[in-house]
Amino acid sequence: AQSVTQLDSHVSVSEGTPVLLRCNYSSSYSPSLFWYVQHPNKGLQLLLKYTSAATLVKGINGFEAEFKKSETSFHLTKPSAHMSDAAEYFCVVSPLRGTGFQKLVFGTGTRLLVSP
Amino acid sequence: EAGVAQSPRYKIIEKRQSVAFWCNPISGHATLYWYQQILGQGPKLLIQFQNNGVVDDSQLPKDRFSAERLKGVDSTLKIQPAKLEDSAVYLCASSFGGTSGGDTQYFGPGTRLTVL
Repeated sequence: AQSVTQLDSHVSVSEGTPVLLRCNYSSSYSPSLFWYVQHPNKGLQLLLKYTSAATLVKGINGFEAEFKKSETSFHLTKPSAHMSDAAEYFCVVSPLRGTGFQKLVFGTGTRLLVSP
Repeated sequence: EAGVAQSPRYKIIEKRQSVAFWCNPISGHATLYWYQQILGQGPKLLIQFQNNGVVDDSQLPKDRFSAERLKGVDSTLKIQPAKLEDSAVYLCASSFGGTSGGDTQYFGPGTRLTVL
C-alpha cells in the first residue's frame, strides 16, 4: 500500500525567506509523486509532479521538489516566499502502473502561513 | 479551456435527508473522480469512472452513497440518507485517462456539505 506523511501541519515563514514543506512517502511500486496547492474556497491546483524522469522537478510559481529514493522523501521548496503562497499544500503519491488506472493518495496537508 | 464544473457550491441539509451533487468534467477527459475532503484532512477517493464504467469504488459507503456517469460525460453523486459525519467538501476531478501514473487530475472547486 502507498501512503504519504507530511511532517508539519503548519509552517510559518516571513515574506522573502525560503520555504520548505516536508513529505515522506511509502510505496510498494515505483511511485509518481505530486504536490497540489489549495487556496481557500478554490479547487486543488497541481504545482508539480515526478514520474521517474529527472529527480529535481520544477513547478509553477517558483516551486520545486527533489525526489530522493534513498530517503523516501519528496520535499517542496521555494527560495523566496510571497504573500500569495499562503495556502494548504498536499503531497500526493500514486503508483506507476503499466495497466490499470491512477489512484491518488493524499497526505494530511501542510498549511503555509506567510507574514509580511 | 473550461475547468471542472461543480454545483451546488454549498449545501446545508438535516440528517436523514438526501442530497445530490453534479460534476461536469473537462471536455475530452475520460476519467472522472469523486473525492471526500473532511475538514483538516486530505481528499479521499470515493469513486473513479473510466468513461461510464466504474474503475474503483472500494471506499464508497454503498449503503448510502451512489454515483453514476450514464453517458460518460457528467456525473452525479448522491447521499441518501445523510449522516452528520458526511459533512465535508466533495471534490470532483477529471483526467485524460491514461494508464500512466503521471496522468494529471484537474479538480473542480468542490461542494461544501453541512449536515445538521
